[in-house]
Amino acid sequence: SQQGEEDPQALSIQEGENATMNCSYKTSINNLQWYRQNSGRGLVHLILIRSNEREKHSGRLRVTLDTSKKSSSLLITASRAADTASYFCAFTGGGNKLTFGTGTQLKVEL
Amino acid sequence: GAVVSQHPSWVICKSGTSVKIECRSLDFQATTMFWYRQFPKQSLMLMATSNEGSKATYEQGVEKDKFLINHASLTLSTLTVTSAHPEDSSFYICSAGPGQGEEKLFFGSGTQLSVL
Repeated sequence: SQQGEEDPQALSIQEGENATMNCSYKTSINNLQWYRQNSGRGLVHLILIRSNEREKHSGRLRVTLDTSKKSSSLLITASRAADTASYFCAFTGGGNKLTFGTGTQLKVEL
Repeated sequence: GAVVSQHPSWVICKSGTSVKIECRSLDFQATTMFWYRQFPKQSLMLMATSNEGSKATYEQGVEKDKFLINHASLTLSTLTVTSAHPEDSSFYICSAGPGQGEEKLFFGSGTQLSVL
């Protein structure tokens, strides 16, 4: 399968802590994106990192990309209860057809 | 940001009936839309790519006669689950992007289909 693999599958942390989730893929990519999904809802785009970039920041989000290892990580700093959701990496090898990772379910407890 | 509207949000139907799900891009034109299926606590699996004015491209293992896709305009794509059965019960999500260099996609809110 060309689907991305994410770990951990589930992550439970306390509010204020940082959350890190990792994504590995097998193909060559043009870019890698991270999406968030609240339970029973659609996905919301969080951040995009191109294959020639190594790190990107957006607010409390930090994404890294290591194309030699075919892996990416998403760091959420100073987590909040509202960050509770599933997080998916997704990537394109060409065009805009996205392949999604397996997802990480994040729970941030008060 | 761009908005993609998906209706209905949920539908319950009897086995053997057909269900139509609509996906609209509200503030941009989408020559391509994507349909995904998602089972509980699992990832999104691409079912098909919907192309305006032409036939949809289905992923391997997806029955084109079972899941009919129509993309008749630049702002509307529909997915019809024909002769639905309980195993078709799932969360269906559409997405679209404005293209023109914009690589991220915008997603509908999803449709939960329950077939009794």
